[in-house]
Amino acid sequence: AQSVTQPDIHITVSEGASLELRCNYSYGATPYLFWYVQSPGQGLQLLLKYFSGDTLVQGIKGFEAEFKRSQSSFNLRKPSVHWSDAAEYFCAVGDSTGTASKLTFGTGTRLQVTL
Amino acid sequence: DAGVIQSPRHEVTEMGQEVTLRCKPISGHDYLFWYRQTMMRGLELLIYFNNNVPIDDSGMPEDRFSAKMPNASFSTLKIQPSEPRDSAVYFCASSSQRGSPLHFGNGTRLTVT
Repeated sequence: AQSVTQPDIHITVSEGASLELRCNYSYGATPYLFWYVQSPGQGLQLLLKYFSGDTLVQGIKGFEAEFKRSQSSFNLRKPSVHWSDAAEYFCAVGDSTGTASKLTFGTGTRLQVTL
Repeated sequence: DAGVIQSPRHEVTEMGQEVTLRCKPISGHDYLFWYRQTMMRGLELLIYFNNNVPIDDSGMPEDRFSAKMPNASFSTLKIQPSEPRDSAVYFCASSSQRGSPLHFGNGTRLTVT
């Protein structure tokens, strides 16, 4: 069964500082990997996805993530955080061999940005 | 593109009552998913449909939960009877094909007293 671990429940960074959110996955084949962001009272919005090819993927809002097969990781990064980035971030792994992308989500990392 | 539309946004009901949550997926999307989000368990997949047919309902917690998709533009998740432990945010999501990202609605916050 696929699973996702986000080891950091809560992270606080200063505005303008760099950010890295960790994600480790467990999956038997090459996974589909996603990062979503959730603002309070809202649904989840896709930031970026990895299916195959280049292991460094670019997303919206200046985010990027790198797929490292050897480490089973898909960490999310941003070089300079803005106050509006404060939200909860979810990593997810999809079933690439099934009939649909059943996503398994991590427990999320809540990002707080200080001014 | 109106996105995935869920109704109601908030639902407060008493234990034992029937609750029906509604979802309109994005037009043209063949897959529809129901997720539940709680502090304790995070995001859990309850059930998903492909072309209106339920494919996997292994995440449905109990027989009190049922889901239907009578046509490509509408799905319901029903809880009967509801219990306080059903209190959560329920999300509907849709996608266009295998491997495509999910598009989420804004969720229904259910409170069962």
